[in-house]
Amino acid sequence: AAGVIQSPRHLIKEKRETATLKCYPIPRHDTVYWYQQGPGQDPQFLISFYEKMQSDKGSIPDRFSAQQFSDYHSELNMSSLELGDSALYFCASRIGGKGYTFGSGTRLTVV
Amino acid sequence: GQNIDQPTEMTATEGAIVQINCTYQTSGFNGLFWYQQHAGEAPTFLSYNVLDGLEEKGRFSSFLSRSKGYSYLLLKELQMKDSASYLCAVTREDSSYKLIFGSGTRLLVRP
Repeated sequence: AAGVIQSPRHLIKEKRETATLKCYPIPRHDTVYWYQQGPGQDPQFLISFYEKMQSDKGSIPDRFSAQQFSDYHSELNMSSLELGDSALYFCASRIGGKGYTFGSGTRLTVV
Repeated sequence: GQNIDQPTEMTATEGAIVQINCTYQTSGFNGLFWYQQHAGEAPTFLSYNVLDGLEEKGRFSSFLSRSKGYSYLLLKELQMKDSASYLCAVTREDSSYKLIFGSGTRLLVRP
């Protein structure tokens, strides 16, 4: 069965650089969520999209932006990277009341 | 707002039974999820409760009491591979039905 695909799996950036993370949800899933998980922390909700429209926003810095495209894939753009942005970034997709499926994540390291 | 509390760490013996508790306070409660997460990997779905009672799924069971804001995850016949973090997450009846995670319980299974 198709899963949620995230790319890249690993990313190393320098401070003040820009990063783009991609998420390809399960086909026909209409909602995408982005989470940030720091070392030893629980996943923190960043932003979500339903049918290509932003549906909710969490603790996402103004330096970050995201969008969902016509093919339902989503991209998280992160600018002016800081050391504290180093984390695992997960994307999850869903259709209906349950069935949240997470991608394998992107490990971002800012040096 | 919402508060989701879990014990930080638990230790159990291979072959034994362990119960991981989760208490929550949230308005507009919709459902409660349990996820397993190995270090550096994506959370994987274990169980979902929306009504009071027990849901059983092989070696894993989860219980919910909506009136008490309480859930537990029961793991039977523990195996070494069950050493992981266990995340309790709730959803609310809001615009996105995002998962809101507790801080997680790190379970160590010893021989």
